[in-house]
Amino acid sequence: GAVVSQHPSRVICKSGTSVKIECRSLDFQATTMFWYRQFPKKSLMLMATSNEGSKATYEQGVEKDKFLINHASLTLSTLTVTSAHPEDSSFYICSAAPGRAYNEQFFGPGTRLTVL
Amino acid sequence: GESVGLHLPTLSVQEGDNSIINCAYSNSASDYFIWYKQESGKGPQFIIDIRSNMDKRQGQRVTVLLNKTVKHLSLQIAATQPGDSAVYFCAENINDYKLSFGAGTTVTVRA
Repeated sequence: GAVVSQHPSRVICKSGTSVKIECRSLDFQATTMFWYRQFPKKSLMLMATSNEGSKATYEQGVEKDKFLINHASLTLSTLTVTSAHPEDSSFYICSAAPGRAYNEQFFGPGTRLTVL
Repeated sequence: GESVGLHLPTLSVQEGDNSIINCAYSNSASDYFIWYKQESGKGPQFIIDIRSNMDKRQGQRVTVLLNKTVKHLSLQIAATQPGDSAVYFCAENINDYKLSFGAGTTVTVRA
């Protein structure tokens, strides 16, 4: 149980295009989903927190117009990187929590984004 | 100040030996801590957690120690195996749903 999937696992796109990454909780309903960004050999950096049916809460320094988050259902959240540029290349990881408890945060396998 | 175990970005350990991974956390108000294992190209996997009212917790082959006085956390892995090679992160939580991750330690197991 408690499986979180991400799609796609890898994506390569041209500069200026937009890319959508999906995060799904497969066997539970996720009240809260989190999006992280990870640079090579670095730690996870929280980008935003999304609750189903409401606007995402972005961390300081994260551009909300650049990284659009939609949490339309209790099992799906999407992150859209708009007008992607090479500096947006990174490993994006989502996590999902069944409730408000932080100790039930289950991580997805990550999505490697490369912007050419 | 007292040396309680420095955080090292890399750790090389002989197969079968015990590993100790250290983490210094930043906020004295943190009340919950988690160790995660991340293999290359994958998301973090939960290993073990500990609340601030405890100083030790054991799991299968792993032990977490918490020293709140010096804000230090350690993960001990007994009889390290090749499958333990990964990056290990500690994470702290402060009374809400957000986790703050440490810098990570890359563990390499030598055969």
